[in-house]
Amino acid sequence: DIQMTQSPSSLSASVGDRVTITCRASQNISSFLNWYQQKPGKAPNLLIYATSSLQSGVPSRFSGSGSGTDFTLTISSLQPEDFATYYCHQSYSTPPNFGGGTRVQIK
Amino acid sequence: EVQLVESGGGLVQPGRSLRLSCAASGLTFDDYAMHWVRQAPGKGLEWVSGISWNSGYIGYTDSVKGRFTISRDNAKNSLYLLMNSLTVDDMAVYYCAKSNTVLDAFDIWGQGTMVTVSS
Repeated sequence: DIQMTQSPSSLSASVGDRVTITCRASQNISSFLNWYQQKPGKAPNLLIYATSSLQSGVPSRFSGSGSGTDFTLTISSLQPEDFATYYCHQSYSTPPNFGGGTRVQIK
Repeated sequence: EVQLVESGGGLVQPGRSLRLSCAASGLTFDDYAMHWVRQAPGKGLEWVSGISWNSGYIGYTDSVKGRFTISRDNAKNSLYLLMNSLTVDDMAVYYCAKSNTVLDAFDIWGQGTMVTVSS
């Protein structure tokens, strides 16, 4: 099974900050990496698929990059509604595992 | 509007069974793969099981193999998860989610249904 490791597990940031979250796969997953945002009590919401493709309706301040084993989610200017937990997810092979999550909190 | 609505969660004793359902609307259900993903209280997301559009592929995470059974009824636009021999480790919110194929991003999620395992 492919293991997904996110870092950091949590971070504190201010509105307007640039935020970067990292996800590392235990083996090469090409570009089969997706990112989700989850707010408390709500279902996850797909932000980015296939490493860098923005899901319809997602603001352009979200972007993704990487390939192989190392991937990044960047929020260019953090907004109040972006305080949430973010998960990476590999869809290269079954089981399609998730990372442990990164909680973005208000500084 | 595409919508997934889970049902069937509740309180169940250890060792007992429960069947979850997920009703889909606003989409051609048999065009898509479907999944169950769970989240224990205060924890992260865990893929539980997935099924291809025609049930040709069925997969499970190791911890539920032999106890859980995923199925779908394309005529009823519905996904199911039969959970047997439940333990406290199975207590979680269970989400159903769709993807284009089994190995694709999960682009639509239901609101989740809580399964509580307690004596």
